[in-house]
Amino acid sequence: QQQVKQSPQSLIVQKGGISIINCAYENTAFDYFPWYQQFPGKGPALLIAIRPDVSEKKEGRFTISFNKSAKQFSLHIMDSQPGDSATYFCAASTMNRDDKIIFGKGTRLHILP
Amino acid sequence: NAGVTQTPKFRVLKTGQSMTLLCAQDMNHEYMYWYRQDPGMGLRLIHYSVGEGTTAKGEVPDGYNVSRLKKQNFLLGLESAAPSQTSVYFCASSPLTGSREQFFGPGTRLTVL
Repeated sequence: QQQVKQSPQSLIVQKGGISIINCAYENTAFDYFPWYQQFPGKGPALLIAIRPDVSEKKEGRFTISFNKSAKQFSLHIMDSQPGDSATYFCAASTMNRDDKIIFGKGTRLHILP
Repeated sequence: NAGVTQTPKFRVLKTGQSMTLLCAQDMNHEYMYWYRQDPGMGLRLIHYSVGEGTTAKGEVPDGYNVSRLKKQNFLLGLESAAPSQTSVYFCASSPLTGSREQFFGPGTRLTVL
């Protein structure tokens, strides 16, 4: 029940296309859903996050879509660029700071130039 | 601000040797974490700390020990290294209040022969 399932494991998208990464969770107590971006040789960094009181959050070319009833959320990267090539992790937690953040297994995204 | 720093960046150990990984943060964060990252496994929490002098076990604590004697430092120890501990280790920190964002260090690549 503590797992966050992420798919696909890897993704190749043409430059200018839309990249979509999906995540699903079971624990209905989760109320914070961040996405982290990791470039090779670097640590992950927060990209965008959403709370379940909204169904969508957009920051530039990055959008999180959230479906509370299905317990699913996804990251959409519009107009994907080669500089977006990285590993993306979804995650989930409660807002209780003593609760751990549960990470998905990651998606390696490669944008073809 | 340096953010989160990790020492060393790379290390090669022989089976049975011991070592300590040092994490330091200058953001006055209460929470600190140690993760390991293995291909296809995502980020797995080893140990974490919710404040100076406190530590707690994460998802994969066996074979590791930690200490948080000072608020800004979080040490990860391997008493008797095993090849299964070959991994990239990331330290992270997060504040007590406000955003739940975790700030990650650059990682330590450890190889155990």
